[in-house]
Amino acid sequence: DVKVTQSSRYLVKRTGEKVFLECVQDMDHENMFWYRQDPGLGLRLIYFSYDVKMKEKGDIPEGYSVSREKKERFSLILESASTNQTSMYLCASILYPGSTEAFFGQGTRLTVV
Amino acid sequence: GESVGLHLPTLSVQEGDNSIINCAYSNSASDYFIWYKQESGKGPQFIIDIRSNMDKRQGQRVTVLLNKTVKHLSLQIAATQPGDSAVYFCAENNNAGNMLTFGGGTRLMVKP
Repeated sequence: DVKVTQSSRYLVKRTGEKVFLECVQDMDHENMFWYRQDPGLGLRLIYFSYDVKMKEKGDIPEGYSVSREKKERFSLILESASTNQTSMYLCASILYPGSTEAFFGQGTRLTVV
Repeated sequence: GESVGLHLPTLSVQEGDNSIINCAYSNSASDYFIWYKQESGKGPQFIIDIRSNMDKRQGQRVTVLLNKTVKHLSLQIAATQPGDSAVYFCAENNNAGNMLTFGGGTRLMVKP
């Protein structure tokens, strides 16, 4: 079974802090994604990566950056956390470009106070 | 200030009835359209997909219909069960298959 693991289930951070959300997948998937999920807004794509050290902006990249130094790990970075970044963050991976079955982590609920 | 989220559309059905969940999409260039199910406290899970050159695909108790003329996608669940209670998202792949873009979601509630 494919496993996508996010490092934290719940996180509370202060405004202005630098925040790292980590995601690891164990099935050698090519593409990895970071989404944020807010009530009624669905899943909005922040960034995605289709290869090591490669990244592309999604729909809402402002205030975020990402890092993919190894194929299995995709990190989301909030350079200076703000209260409007309080949300559920979901990491996902797909085996190859064009694959329709994404595997999601359990999510990280981030609260910025 | 704080952003106010939109209300999640909700569909309430009786156990044993059929459910139909609808979705409108915008990108006509997508190769595939996909349905995901998200249960409480979990990440979304793949249910079924349909290629853009098809108009119907059936799975186990689920059928997806694609109407490209009006850019509409639907998921039909036969004999809905309590375990079907979840939020359902439609999605499409684009950017040469590198991206998966999701819709806003519909909450399905199954009444016993």
